Formats: sequence, C-alpha cells, structure tokens
Amino acid sequence: EVQLVESGGGLVQPGGSLRLSCVASGITFSSYAMSWVRQAPGKGLEWVSGISSSSGSTFYADSVKGRFTISRDNSKNTLYLQMNSLRADDTAVYYCAKRSGYIDYWGQGTLVTVSS
Amino acid sequence: QPVLTQSSSASASLGSSVKLTCTLSSGHSSYIIAWHQQQPGKAPRYLLKLEGSGSYNRGSGVPERFSGSSSGADRYLTISNLQSEDEADYYCETWDSDSWVFGGGTKLTVL
Repeated sequence: EVQLVESGGGLVQPGGSLRLSCVASGITFSSYAMSWVRQAPGKGLEWVSGISSSSGSTFYADSVKGRFTISRDNSKNTLYLQMNSLRADDTAVYYCAKRSGYIDYWGQGTLVTVSS
Repeated sequence: QPVLTQSSSASASLGSSVKLTCTLSSGHSSYIIAWHQQQPGKAPRYLLKLEGSGSYNRGSGVPERFSGSSSGADRYLTISNLQSEDEADYYCETWDSDSWVFGGGTKLTVL
C-alpha cells in the first residue's frame, strides 16, 4: 500500500520559515517524480513545486519561486519543502503527491498557518 | 501553459448518472488529464487518467462506476449509479514541460 505522510506544518509569523517533510512507503521512492500541492482555506488545489526522481530537475509555481525550495533524500524515502519569507497568502494545507506524469497518490496533508 | 476550465457546481439524484466536464485551453486539446475527487474534510484522491482518444485508466480501488471520455478539448468524468459518498469536489489536472495545473473544481451535490 502506498503511503505518503507529511509533517512539519504549524503556525509561523509572516517572514518566517518552515520545512515540510513527506515520508513515502510502499513504493520505490527513487523511481518517481514528486510534487507539493496546496489548498488555501475554502479554495481549490494549487500546484506549488515539483522534483524529478533524481533531483536533477526542480520546478516552481511563480507564486513561490525564489522563496520555496524542493528537495528529496532518496536514501530516506523523504521529500522536503523549505519555505522561507512566508506570507499570509501561503496559509494552506500542503499535500505531498507522487507523480506518474499526473498525480496518482496523495498524502493526507499538513496545515501551514502564517499569522502574527 | 494549459488552462483547465470546469463548471463550479453540478447536481444529480441518488442512483442516477452525472457527467462532469473539464475543458482544455486552445492549443492544448491533445493533452492527457487526470481526475481527482475530494470528499469534504479529506485529502484528494486520484480517480483516473484520461487521454484525448477517450482511453482511460482508473486508479487502484476506484469503482467501475467512474469512467472517462473525451471529445476535442473536452474531458469528461461520468459517475454512474450515484451514491451519497460521491458528493464531493472534483478536480481535473494536466501538465506541461515544467508546470502543472488544476481546474477550479466542480462541487457535486447528490440530491
């Protein structure tokens, strides 16, 4: 069974930083591209960032470019999202997702709240 | 970059069928999409991948009541024999060389 378990969310002040983690099990993690997707309260899904299986390629939405960094450690089956210079509009549930081109598995999400 | 357009809401009666639409922007009518379901308060769930030819593949454990079809730039999700648990938000997704995009979502109400 594929499982993606996110952690690291919480309350942070504007301008602060947070690192999200996503541990994968039930898959050969190193074989798959991965992504982060977020959902602001009451809103739709927004793709945030993606990374290739080998970390050779990373991609970002314009809304987070220059502030967020995606990475992975294939030896630990773990995906990361380093979030800096956080703003109120970054408040959302952040989902880790496995890709086969399209998303075919989702994590349960972790809530990030940016507020003073 | 492709854009996906979905109706904001739809409704249908218990036991009936409903067809949801996702429309690809001009110049992207051949793109593959995926459909995802998000029940209230839960994480999204992958339902199926759908090609421009109309060929589709359901995800693991997805009931056969869920099917896909295509016509030009339109991608459809048909849910047959509607159940109460099908009341949810439905999102389509596609991707380009370096970016991924979701439609705005359709809120399905089961009457």
